Amino acid sequence: DIQMTQSPSSVSASVGDRVTITCRASQHISSWLAWYQQKPGQAPKFLISHASILQTGVPSRFSGSGSGTDFSLTISNLQPEDFATYYCQQAGGVSWAFGQGTKVE
Amino acid sequence: EVQLLESGGGLVQPGGSLRLSCVASGLTFSTYVMSWVRQAPGKGLEWVSSIGGRGDGSLYADSVKGRFTISRDNSKNTLYLQVNSLRAEDTAIYYCAKGLNWGGGHYFDSWGQGTLVTVSS
Repeated sequence: DIQMTQSPSSVSASVGDRVTITCRASQHISSWLAWYQQKPGQAPKFLISHASILQTGVPSRFSGSGSGTDFSLTISNLQPEDFATYYCQQAGGVSWAFGQGTKVE
Repeated sequence: EVQLLESGGGLVQPGGSLRLSCVASGLTFSTYVMSWVRQAPGKGLEWVSSIGGRGDGSLYADSVKGRFTISRDNSKNTLYLQVNSLRAEDTAIYYCAKGLNWGGGHYFDSWGQGTLVTVSS
């Protein structure tokens, strides 16, 4: 099975900062990668598909990049509502794995 | 707007069973792959199981294979997860999620609020 490893596990940031989270797959997964945002007590929210495609309604300060095994999520100009935990998910094949999460605090 | 509402969670003893349900609205239910994803307290997300739109074809994580059974009733817009032989490590919030197939990948684009399963004696 494909394993997903995120780093860092947590990041301390301030409003206005630029934050980058990385996700590494144990095998090549092309661009089949998603990013989700989860706030405490809430369900995950789908942010990005296919490594870099922003979903409708997601602010443009979010961006995703990468292919193969190395991916990143960047939040530019961090806003108060962006403090949350972010998960990557490998979307290829028929068994889907999530990273362990990165908390932006 | 897609809405997913889970129910059926609760406190159960090790070895026990539960049937989780997820009622969907705001979508043509039968055209989508539906899934269960769980989250243990304070932990990350774990994909559990998925089922095709017509109920043809199901997938399971190795951690639940042989113990959990996913099914759906498209006439009732409802997804189910029968969870048997429960273990302490199955304690989690169980989320129902709608699938999105795009560009060769499978994503979870809408989520319910979850139902909590607690396995404890």
